[in-house]
Amino acid sequence: EDQVTQSPEALRLQEGESSSLNCSYTVSGLRGLFWYRQDPGKGPEFLFTLYSAGEEKEKERLKATLTKKESFLHITAPKPEDSATYLCAVSPGGDSWGKLQFGAGTQVVVTP
Amino acid sequence: DAGVTQSPTHLIKTRGQQVTLRCSPKSGHDTVSWYQQALGQGPQFIFQYYEEEERQRGNFPDRFSGHQFPNYSSELNVNALLLGDSALYLCASSYGGAGDTQYFGPGTRLTVL
Repeated sequence: EDQVTQSPEALRLQEGESSSLNCSYTVSGLRGLFWYRQDPGKGPEFLFTLYSAGEEKEKERLKATLTKKESFLHITAPKPEDSATYLCAVSPGGDSWGKLQFGAGTQVVVTP
Repeated sequence: DAGVTQSPTHLIKTRGQQVTLRCSPKSGHDTVSWYQQALGQGPQFIFQYYEEEERQRGNFPDRFSGHQFPNYSSELNVNALLLGDSALYLCASSYGGAGDTQYFGPGTRLTVL
């Protein structure tokens, strides 16, 4: 059964204190791994799509990496506006593609 | 370029009632997926529509049904509402039926009393 586990559940950072979020997954034939950012009461905002092990993507203070079993979202020198819940999702291959399986998310709070 | 839009923003219903939620996909997208997100959890896949047909379905009962129109917009219908149906309902759109990168709307907050 496809499964996505995110850790830690919550993370409190000082402004400028870099850290990493983990997303470990088991899926039959990974088609893609996705990172989203979600603010309270709003829809997830797309950040990155990763397709194969070794791939890396960057956007401002965020960098996402992918291995065969997990993905990391690195936050470099975070600012208070980076406070949000970060969601990881996988799209299986085969007949289940498009059926995103999400983790529970990591809630990040960045204090000034 | 308009993103994914959903209506209504909030909805309050009582147990046993029926509800219809609406979604318009991002311009150029033809595939719509629906998700249910309970408080403190990740979104759970309900179903996906492509070419006006249900292409994929998650583990939700038949009380949850949907429709896609020729202009690619979509509706989610829930019958015989239960208290446990209270959640944020999210619509996501993508292109080409491949369902790769999905872009989400702001969601509809449904409260069942």
